[in-house]
Amino acid sequence: QVQLQESAPGLVKPSQTLSLTCTVSGGFISSGGYYWNWIRQVPGKGLEWIGYINYSGSTYYNPSLKSRVTMSVDTSNNQFSLKLTSVTAADTAIYYCARGGGGVVTARRFDYWGQGTLVTVSS
Amino acid sequence: QSVLTQPPSVSGAPGQRVTISCTGSSSNIGAAYDVHWYQQLPGTAPKLLIYRNNYRPSGVPDRFSGSKSGTSASLAISGLQAEDEADYYCQSYDSSLSAYVFGTGTEVTVL
Repeated sequence: QVQLQESAPGLVKPSQTLSLTCTVSGGFISSGGYYWNWIRQVPGKGLEWIGYINYSGSTYYNPSLKSRVTMSVDTSNNQFSLKLTSVTAADTAIYYCARGGGGVVTARRFDYWGQGTLVTVSS
Repeated sequence: QSVLTQPPSVSGAPGQRVTISCTGSSSNIGAAYDVHWYQQLPGTAPKLLIYRNNYRPSGVPDRFSGSKSGTSASLAISGLQAEDEADYYCQSYDSSLSAYVFGTGTEVTVL
């Protein structure tokens, strides 16, 4: 059973960089075939896909956030990470990491999710 | 960025059947892209409920079913149970946005 666990930075100041790490257990990122995603949810609101990275470091970001997002992968520790720069209060959300599968780009779904971590942007 | 529209809420008595619609456009559902559904119980992460329009992951009861036609998709819950009270989201890919998109979400209440 694949499990994902987000790190918990909690509070980030406006204009600073939000950094999160997701640790995967029960499977290896390096085995390939899956895409490792970040998704966020403003409390009480809907879901927004941020982007994904694969085992080799190839990335695909949501164009609406692309200018501020960087993802990286560390296969030796079975982790992948998100950096979001120049954060504002609008970036306050629950951030989830999730495994993506399903073959072609247009068919992919998110089959395993972390429990989520609340990140608050406030001075 | 919710280009997939769902009703805000649906409700039903225990044992009844409810359906949730997910309305998109020619750049997502209408482009024959797959639709997936997630169940989010209060205070928890979303869980994949239906994938590729009408397939259930292992462990999901057959009370849940999905369908797709044209620019819309639907999730049906038959034999509604108290444990089905949750938020439900559809998800697809949008070629105009070049992004994976989620529906606006539907809260299911068991009366």
